Amino acid sequence: GAGVSQSPSNKVTEKGKDVELRCDPISGHTALYWYRQSLGQGLEFLIYFQGNSAPDKSGLPSDRFSAERTGGSVSTLTIQRTQQEDSAVYLCASRISPENTEAFFGQGTRLTVV
Amino acid sequence: GNSVTQMEGPVTLSEEAFLTINCTYTATGYPSLFWYVQYPGEGLQLLLKATKADDKGSNKGFEATYRKETTSFHLEKGSVQVSDSAVYFCALSSANAGGTSYGKLTFGQGTILTVHP
Repeated sequence: GAGVSQSPSNKVTEKGKDVELRCDPISGHTALYWYRQSLGQGLEFLIYFQGNSAPDKSGLPSDRFSAERTGGSVSTLTIQRTQQEDSAVYLCASRISPENTEAFFGQGTRLTVV
Repeated sequence: GNSVTQMEGPVTLSEEAFLTINCTYTATGYPSLFWYVQYPGEGLQLLLKATKADDKGSNKGFEATYRKETTSFHLEKGSVQVSDSAVYFCALSSANAGGTSYGKLTFGQGTILTVHP
């Protein structure tokens, strides 16, 4: 596609359930990032992928959070046993390479845990 | 570690007013600096960038100059329009401790700008 695509755009889930969020980066972009945007915390880095490997997972807030990337393309962020504090907008971004300065963002997935 | 501090909002201006949104940063090494904008209902978009000291980034009438001596990257526009109403984020990208730049962005808290006719 022309831009970074994220799905679903909105997700409401019950506390304790698992959720999967998907990101389709721009074709050919090797670098992929997940960020979280929440009230009071601003935009926080979660994890970085170069190809299918994740050299920087330092932003994942707990072991309930995991992510993978396959085929150097699609990435999935999984949150297990969701908690109310996980409610946020989850943003995905991609770059041609980590050295290229422009990152392109998707529109995000708004997650609400009730 | 890296951090970005932005002027707190919200900022409310009349059309054609002058805009300044302050941004200062703390970073290791030589960061690249960015302003991103998020229009209502849309995703984050890069507004402008500067990759070294004294560089000026500009786009859509907005400007920001990379000031290493004051560690600042203030956003300015001489005459704002209603269509500039959005949330503005200052951000930096810098090398990690190992010296490898992953292009990871550190963001400020964001400043909500509302422009009235």
